[in-house]
Amino acid sequence: AQRVTQPEKLLSVFKGAPVELKCNYSYSGSPELFWYVQYSRQRLQLLLRHISRESIKGFTADLNKGETSFHLKKPFAQEEDSAMYYCALSPYNFNKFYFGSGTKLNVKP
Amino acid sequence: EPEVTQTPSHQVTQMGQEVILRCVPISNHLYFYWYRQILGQKVEFLVSFYNNEISEKSEIFDDQFSVERPDGSNFTLKIRSTKLEDSAMYFCASQDPNSGANVLTFGAGSRLTVL
Repeated sequence: AQRVTQPEKLLSVFKGAPVELKCNYSYSGSPELFWYVQYSRQRLQLLLRHISRESIKGFTADLNKGETSFHLKKPFAQEEDSAMYYCALSPYNFNKFYFGSGTKLNVKP
Repeated sequence: EPEVTQTPSHQVTQMGQEVILRCVPISNHLYFYWYRQILGQKVEFLVSFYNNEISEKSEIFDDQFSVERPDGSNFTLKIRSTKLEDSAMYFCASQDPNSGANVLTFGAGSRLTVL
Protein backbone atom coordinates (compact mmCIF):
# COMPACT_ATOMS: atom_id res chain seq x y z
CA ALA A 1 0.00 0.00 0.00
CA GLN A 2 1.13 3.52 -0.68
CA ARG A 3 1.09 6.00 2.15
CA VAL A 4 2.40 9.44 2.89
CA THR A 5 2.77 10.62 6.45
CA GLN A 6 3.23 14.16 7.60
CA PRO A 7 3.48 13.93 11.37
CA GLU A 8 3.05 17.63 12.15
CA LYS A 9 -0.32 19.31 11.62
CA LEU A 10 1.04 22.70 12.60
CA LEU A 11 4.53 24.12 12.68
CA SER A 12 5.13 27.61 14.05
CA VAL A 13 8.48 29.32 13.71
CA PHE A 14 9.78 32.85 13.90
CA LYS A 15 10.91 34.72 10.82
CA GLY A 16 14.53 33.91 10.06
CA ALA A 17 14.46 30.55 11.83
CA PRO A 18 15.17 27.29 10.00
CA VAL A 19 12.21 25.19 8.94
CA GLU A 20 11.88 21.47 8.38
CA LEU A 21 8.56 19.94 7.39
CA LYS A 22 8.66 16.20 7.73
CA CYS A 23 7.38 13.69 5.23
CA ASN A 24 7.74 9.93 5.36
CA TYR A 25 6.39 7.52 2.83
CA SER A 26 5.84 3.85 2.37
CA TYR A 27 5.84 2.39 -1.09
CA SER A 28 7.06 -0.91 -2.45
CA GLY A 29 8.54 0.47 -5.66
CA SER A 30 10.36 3.66 -6.68
CA PRO A 31 7.94 6.53 -6.46
CA GLU A 32 8.24 10.13 -7.42
CA LEU A 33 7.91 12.55 -4.49
CA PHE A 34 6.56 16.09 -4.51
CA TRP A 35 5.81 19.01 -2.28
CA TYR A 36 2.70 21.02 -3.04
CA VAL A 37 1.87 24.29 -1.32
CA GLN A 38 -1.47 26.00 -0.75
CA TYR A 39 -1.31 29.66 0.21
CA SER A 40 -4.33 31.22 1.87
CA ARG A 41 -7.30 31.26 -0.52
CA GLN A 42 -5.19 29.98 -3.40
CA ARG A 43 -5.04 26.71 -5.27
CA LEU A 44 -2.68 23.86 -4.63
CA GLN A 45 0.48 24.39 -6.61
CA LEU A 46 3.62 22.43 -7.12
CA LEU A 47 6.53 23.61 -5.03
CA LEU A 48 9.15 21.07 -6.00
CA ARG A 49 9.78 17.50 -7.15
CA HIS A 50 12.53 15.22 -5.99
CA ILE A 51 13.80 14.42 -9.48
CA SER A 52 14.36 18.10 -10.25
CA ARG A 53 16.79 18.52 -7.37
CA GLU A 54 16.16 22.24 -7.40
CA SER A 55 15.62 24.92 -4.81
CA ILE A 56 12.36 26.82 -5.08
CA LYS A 57 11.74 29.93 -2.94
CA GLY A 58 14.69 28.81 -0.83
CA PHE A 59 13.14 25.40 -0.12
CA THR A 60 14.91 22.12 -0.80
CA ALA A 61 13.95 18.52 -0.24
CA ASP A 62 16.13 15.46 -0.47
CA LEU A 63 14.77 12.00 -1.04
CA ASN A 64 16.27 9.61 1.49
CA LYS A 65 15.41 6.12 0.29
CA GLY A 66 16.97 4.48 3.33
CA GLU A 67 14.75 6.40 5.71
CA THR A 68 11.91 6.69 3.16
CA SER A 69 11.73 10.40 3.85
CA PHE A 70 11.36 13.54 1.79
CA HIS A 71 11.61 16.36 4.32
CA LEU A 72 11.20 19.95 3.14
CA LYS A 73 13.75 22.43 4.46
CA LYS A 74 14.47 26.11 4.37
CA PRO A 75 17.32 27.73 6.30
CA PHE A 76 15.59 31.06 6.97
CA ALA A 77 11.79 31.19 7.03
CA GLN A 78 9.92 34.23 5.73
CA GLU A 79 6.43 35.39 6.68
CA GLU A 80 5.25 34.79 3.13
CA ASP A 81 6.11 31.10 3.54
CA SER A 82 3.07 30.72 5.79
CA ALA A 83 0.85 28.18 4.03
CA MET A 84 -0.31 24.57 3.98
CA TYR A 85 2.30 22.19 2.67
CA TYR A 86 1.43 18.79 1.28
CA CYS A 87 3.84 16.00 0.55
CA ALA A 88 2.70 13.76 -2.30
CA LEU A 89 3.78 10.50 -3.86
CA SER A 90 3.15 9.19 -7.34
CA PRO A 91 4.08 5.75 -8.62
CA TYR A 92 5.90 5.81 -11.92
CA ASN A 93 2.81 4.67 -13.82
CA PHE A 94 1.69 8.18 -12.86
CA ASN A 95 -2.07 8.17 -12.96
CA LYS A 96 -2.47 8.45 -9.23
CA PHE A 97 -1.10 10.77 -6.58
CA TYR A 98 -1.26 10.20 -2.85
CA PHE A 99 -1.19 13.19 -0.56
CA GLY A 100 -0.19 13.48 3.05
CA SER A 101 -2.49 15.15 5.53
CA GLY A 102 -0.61 18.43 5.24
CA THR A 103 1.36 20.65 7.60
CA LYS A 104 0.34 24.20 8.27
CA LEU A 105 3.42 26.39 8.49
CA ASN A 106 2.97 29.60 10.42
CA VAL A 107 5.90 32.01 10.27
CA LYS A 108 5.63 34.64 12.98
CA PRO A 109 7.18 38.11 12.64
CA GLU B 1 0.14 30.64 -17.94
CA PRO B 2 -2.62 28.09 -18.67
CA GLU B 3 -4.92 27.31 -15.77
CA VAL B 4 -7.44 24.71 -14.75
CA THR B 5 -10.72 26.49 -14.15
CA GLN B 6 -13.53 25.25 -11.94
CA THR B 7 -17.12 26.33 -11.53
CA PRO B 8 -18.93 27.07 -9.34
CA SER B 9 -16.53 28.36 -6.72
CA HIS B 10 -19.10 27.66 -4.03
CA GLN B 11 -22.37 25.73 -4.12
CA VAL B 12 -24.87 25.25 -1.35
CA THR B 13 -27.37 22.45 -1.79
CA GLN B 14 -29.94 20.50 0.15
CA MET B 15 -29.24 16.90 1.12
CA GLY B 16 -30.52 14.53 -1.55
CA GLN B 17 -30.11 16.98 -4.41
CA GLU B 18 -27.92 16.37 -7.43
CA VAL B 19 -24.84 18.50 -7.93
CA ILE B 20 -22.61 18.93 -10.96
CA LEU B 21 -19.17 20.43 -10.54
CA ARG B 22 -17.46 21.60 -13.68
CA CYS B 23 -13.82 21.79 -14.68
CA VAL B 24 -12.03 22.99 -17.77
CA PRO B 25 -8.62 21.31 -17.81
CA ILE B 26 -5.60 22.70 -19.62
CA SER B 27 -6.21 22.10 -23.30
CA ASN B 28 -3.33 19.79 -24.19
CA HIS B 29 -3.55 17.74 -21.00
CA LEU B 30 -4.72 14.16 -21.28
CA TYR B 31 -5.22 12.95 -17.70
CA PHE B 32 -7.89 14.45 -15.50
CA TYR B 33 -8.53 14.00 -11.83
CA TRP B 34 -10.94 14.86 -9.07
CA TYR B 35 -9.76 15.18 -5.51
CA ARG B 36 -11.68 16.25 -2.46
CA GLN B 37 -10.68 17.86 0.81
CA ILE B 38 -13.03 17.78 3.75
CA LEU B 39 -12.46 20.79 6.00
CA GLY B 40 -9.40 20.22 8.16
CA GLN B 41 -8.54 16.93 6.52
CA LYS B 42 -6.19 15.79 3.81
CA VAL B 43 -6.58 15.95 0.06
CA GLU B 44 -8.14 12.63 -1.04
CA PHE B 45 -8.08 11.05 -4.46
CA LEU B 46 -11.47 10.38 -6.00
CA VAL B 47 -10.99 9.42 -9.62
CA SER B 48 -8.70 9.67 -12.63
CA PHE B 49 -9.89 9.85 -16.22
CA TYR B 50 -8.06 9.17 -19.45
CA ASN B 51 -9.12 8.56 -23.01
CA ASN B 52 -12.77 9.14 -22.14
CA GLU B 53 -12.95 6.59 -19.41
CA ILE B 54 -12.18 6.18 -15.75
CA SER B 55 -8.66 4.84 -15.33
CA GLU B 56 -8.77 4.52 -11.56
CA LYS B 57 -11.09 5.35 -8.69
CA SER B 58 -10.94 5.27 -4.92
CA GLU B 59 -13.28 3.64 -2.42
CA ILE B 60 -14.85 7.06 -1.88
CA PHE B 61 -15.99 7.16 -5.51
CA ASP B 62 -19.09 5.01 -5.11
CA ASP B 63 -22.21 4.75 -7.25
CA GLN B 64 -23.44 8.20 -6.33
CA PHE B 65 -20.47 9.74 -8.13
CA SER B 66 -19.90 9.91 -11.86
CA VAL B 67 -17.60 11.77 -14.20
CA GLU B 68 -17.79 12.61 -17.85
CA ARG B 69 -16.23 14.77 -20.49
CA PRO B 70 -19.32 15.69 -22.47
CA ASP B 71 -17.86 18.06 -25.04
CA GLY B 72 -14.12 17.54 -25.22
CA SER B 73 -13.34 20.48 -22.97
CA ASN B 74 -15.42 20.29 -19.80
CA PHE B 75 -14.76 17.56 -17.25
CA THR B 76 -17.61 17.17 -14.81
CA LEU B 77 -18.16 15.48 -11.47
CA LYS B 78 -21.74 14.60 -10.68
CA ILE B 79 -22.97 13.68 -7.23
CA ARG B 80 -26.40 12.14 -7.66
CA SER B 81 -27.89 12.41 -4.21
CA THR B 82 -25.78 14.54 -1.93
CA LYS B 83 -25.20 13.65 1.71
CA LEU B 84 -24.03 15.88 4.54
CA GLU B 85 -20.63 14.19 4.48
CA ASP B 86 -20.13 15.24 0.85
CA SER B 87 -19.51 18.78 2.08
CA ALA B 88 -15.93 19.46 1.03
CA MET B 89 -13.68 21.31 -1.33
CA TYR B 90 -13.49 19.49 -4.66
CA PHE B 91 -10.37 20.00 -6.72
CA CYS B 92 -9.98 19.21 -10.37
CA ALA B 93 -6.50 18.58 -11.72
CA SER B 94 -5.04 17.80 -15.09
CA GLN B 95 -1.77 16.38 -16.31
CA ASP B 96 0.15 16.22 -19.55
CA PRO B 97 1.93 12.85 -19.62
CA ASN B 98 3.75 13.85 -22.78
CA SER B 99 5.53 16.74 -21.13
CA GLY B 100 7.96 14.44 -19.37
CA ALA B 101 6.93 16.09 -16.10
CA ASN B 102 4.76 14.02 -13.79
CA VAL B 103 3.01 17.07 -12.37
CA LEU B 104 -0.59 17.82 -11.53
CA THR B 105 -2.00 21.26 -12.21
CA PHE B 106 -4.89 22.03 -9.89
CA GLY B 107 -7.91 24.24 -10.21
CA ALA B 108 -8.90 26.64 -7.47
CA GLY B 109 -11.56 24.24 -6.22
CA SER B 110 -15.32 24.17 -5.79
CA ARG B 111 -16.62 24.35 -2.27
CA LEU B 112 -19.72 22.21 -1.79
CA THR B 113 -21.88 22.75 1.26
CA VAL B 114 -24.66 20.23 1.83
CA LEU B 115 -27.36 21.28 4.28
